Amino acid sequence: NAGVMQNPRHLVRRRGQEARLRCSPMKGHSHVYWYRQLPEEGLKFMVYLQKENIIDESGMPKERFSAEFPKEGPSILRIQQVVRGDSAAYFCASSPQTTTSNGYTFGSGTRLTVV
Amino acid sequence: KNEVEQSPQNLTAQEGEFITINCSYSVGISALHWLQQHPGGGIVSLFMLSSGKKKHGRLIATINIQEKHSSLHITASHPRDSAVYICAVPYLSAQKLVFGQGTRLTINP
Repeated sequence: NAGVMQNPRHLVRRRGQEARLRCSPMKGHSHVYWYRQLPEEGLKFMVYLQKENIIDESGMPKERFSAEFPKEGPSILRIQQVVRGDSAAYFCASSPQTTTSNGYTFGSGTRLTVV
Repeated sequence: KNEVEQSPQNLTAQEGEFITINCSYSVGISALHWLQQHPGGGIVSLFMLSSGKKKHGRLIATINIQEKHSSLHITASHPRDSAVYICAVPYLSAQKLVFGQGTRLTINP
């Protein structure tokens, strides 16, 4: 069991480009969460998804950010027209049920740098 | 006021010392997570607990639901324990975690 796999580990984008971050949950986990950690700040919730459904996107910026968790394949966090303020570490977590269940597991994160 | 408050924010100690990190929260919860993050590294889940006490190696986590307080203890601390320790609680509908600001622990040899 490889755990929660995120790729790429590091991503550099120029302002205005698109960033795609991928997250493959642990086998058997149907709940995926994305969190963002801005430099020198704490982790903040972005979005919670189950297969083919966005359950809670209250932490997503209103523009340029989107997330999906298709029936087949990894969950994708997409940032369009990146700006310097998007530079952060983006962490994905998965669980078999909710955040109160055992087995809540984080990935290693994707560190996005916008130049 | 943040829903989750940790103290201290920074902690430096000598190898071998007993370490305590505190976490207080203001929302009703059913479970609390303690996490570890090394510089530039990923996040490792240390404990999830809903009552009492859990122990794993030199790490001990306790929680008092009535007082809305949890502590993480490290016995016989070692330089490799140097990391940021974060507590987190499920918020409202339990679909997301809310995090403390983290405690940066440095253990000197």
